[in-house]
Amino acid sequence: DGGITQSPKYLFRKEGQNVTLSCEQNLNHDAMYWYRQDPGQGLRLIYYSQIVNDFQKGDIAEGYSVSREKKESFPLTVTSAQKNPTAFYLCASIRGPQGGEQFFGPGTRLTVL
Amino acid sequence: GNSVTQMEGPVTLSEEAFLTINCTYTATGYPSLFWYVQYPGEGLQLLLKATKADDKGSNKGFEATYRKETTSFHLEKGSVQVSDSAVYFCALSVGDTGRRALTFGSGTRLQVQP
Repeated sequence: DGGITQSPKYLFRKEGQNVTLSCEQNLNHDAMYWYRQDPGQGLRLIYYSQIVNDFQKGDIAEGYSVSREKKESFPLTVTSAQKNPTAFYLCASIRGPQGGEQFFGPGTRLTVL
Repeated sequence: GNSVTQMEGPVTLSEEAFLTINCTYTATGYPSLFWYVQYPGEGLQLLLKATKADDKGSNKGFEATYRKETTSFHLEKGSVQVSDSAVYFCALSVGDTGRRALTFGSGTRLQVQP
């Protein structure tokens, strides 16, 4: 079955550490997205990538970085510059230029100790 | 800019009750509208969508109609079940902006009691 996988499901980080969240899709989708979800709030866009080797900042990119070296993979690094990284992180993808609905992964819950 | 406003929750209903979750939007351009559902500890699943005015999206007994004149996309279900307990997000996407990301409402938690 095609889908989006995220790992790990739970991640704990000490203050001052960088951590990388994995997102892989086998849907052959072009565009991929990272969102952040905080309790009682909707999702906010961190970064997105329309094609390989290209990515753009979303609405809350500060303290995060990404890469898109392969179509299937879009890892997110939460750096020590992110002041409040504890949140639920969701990866999503869209198939082609006409867009349409986004497909979401199961999410990674990051907690800073 | 784009924004989505949903009614605040939680919404608590008894099984077999009628459900309405209000959603209104503002958008630059001509949006597609979506309802997503999130079960505890999981990612989001698309529930239904509508891409043009007067379209009705439907799935699993849920319905929503794209009302351009009132900029609304209210979610309805005639008879809810305990298994419908989840958080529901209204969202929009404006395809001509290039990034095609979703703009989400804050979510409405639905609790259905047996």
